[in-house]
Amino acid sequence: AQRVTQPEKLLSVFKGAPVELKCNYSYSGSPELFWYVQYSRQRLQLLLRHISRESIKGFTADLNKGETSFHLKKPFAQEEDSAMYYCALKGGAQKLVFGQGTRLTINP
Amino acid sequence: EAGVAQSPRYKIIEKRQSVAFWCNPISGHATLYWYQQILGQGPKLLIQFQNNGVVDDSQLPKDRFSAERLKGVDSTLKIQPAKLEDSAVYLCASSLSTGRLNEQYFGPGTRLTVT
Repeated sequence: AQRVTQPEKLLSVFKGAPVELKCNYSYSGSPELFWYVQYSRQRLQLLLRHISRESIKGFTADLNKGETSFHLKKPFAQEEDSAMYYCALKGGAQKLVFGQGTRLTINP
Repeated sequence: EAGVAQSPRYKIIEKRQSVAFWCNPISGHATLYWYQQILGQGPKLLIQFQNNGVVDDSQLPKDRFSAERLKGVDSTLKIQPAKLEDSAVYLCASSLSTGRLNEQYFGPGTRLTVT
């Protein structure tokens, strides 16, 4: 079975501080991992995927197969990063399974 | 390019009534998805179409939910009869296909309230 866990429903940090949104997954095969973001009054959109190994808007995420984690990190938070973040997994059936989401608030 | 379109944006109905949602995917996208997002949870896939065929409907409550994509373009999702627990945002998404690099693009969603 595919499962994604985001342990924090809410995360609040100050502008300029580092951010880490946690994501753990359960899947017996070789998964694809994604981070999706939903800004206020906007659509859900892809932020980044592990196979691209890229930095988007200063965010990075590394797939750790040993710890079955895919945490999202940014060294210096900006106010515009405030949003809802979802970790998602795509397994063998090519079906996306989402975590419950973390609401990130960046305080000025 | 125009994004995924959904209508209506909001709908309020009483339990036991029926409701239908419409989705127009991005032009050329063969794969279409319907998700249910209950408040406080992530989206959950209800049904996935490849052109006009169903790929996965394992989490669709088939006793009350139905979906179709007759011409491989637009899709409708119907609930009949609705229950209180169907209150959620219904998201439609589309992608070029189902391969590894195919990104899903989401619509704005339809917020359903069942009273």
